[in-house]
Amino acid sequence: AQSVTQPDIHITVSEGASLELRCNYSYGATPYLFWYVQSPGQGLQLLLKYFSGDTLVQGIKGFEAEFKRSQSSFNLRKPSVHWSDAAEYFCALFSYDKVIFGPGTSLSVIP
Amino acid sequence: NAGVTQTPKFRILKIGQSMTLQCAQDMNHNYMYWYRQDPGMGLKLIYYSVGAGITDKGEVPNGYNVSRSTTEDFPLRLELAAPSQTSVYFCASSYTAARGPNTGELFFGEGSRLTVL
Repeated sequence: AQSVTQPDIHITVSEGASLELRCNYSYGATPYLFWYVQSPGQGLQLLLKYFSGDTLVQGIKGFEAEFKRSQSSFNLRKPSVHWSDAAEYFCALFSYDKVIFGPGTSLSVIP
Repeated sequence: NAGVTQTPKFRILKIGQSMTLQCAQDMNHNYMYWYRQDPGMGLKLIYYSVGAGITDKGEVPNGYNVSRSTTEDFPLRLELAAPSQTSVYFCASSYTAARGPNTGELFFGEGSRLTVL
């Protein structure tokens, strides 16, 4: 069965530090993968997506993610975190017209 | 440029009451979805629709019903509200690339917070 896991429930980083949020998936074929961000009290916004091709994808707000088939991973990275990046981050997998979400990682940023 | 619009934003129900959460999109998207979000659980798919007149169950459909009479609207019906349905509900839509499959890229509404007491 298709699934998405995000091993880290909550992460705290200092402003200016680098960030990596982990995402692992289970899927039999080449997946469509996404990262979404949710600010408090808001809906979800797409950060970036992977359909095929280049395994390093760039997104909005300076985020990037790398697809690694051998590790079934799609980790999200940012070289320097800003206080405004504090939010909930969701990894998602597209399968047979349905989008399956991971449980999310909550990011706190220390000034 | 409304995108996906959900109403109401907040609602309190008593156990056993019924209500409908409204969702409308103006992007001519074929695909529409209802999710519920509970703390620490991510988003769980309730129902989805691949086009007008077609709906299908997601992961957690019990206690809910949907209809899709037009491309634009996808209301979610709660018939007998229970405390377990206290949640934040999100409607989303997605599109197909030109002559291609569903891209899976979701456009979300701002959510409807429902409390059942």
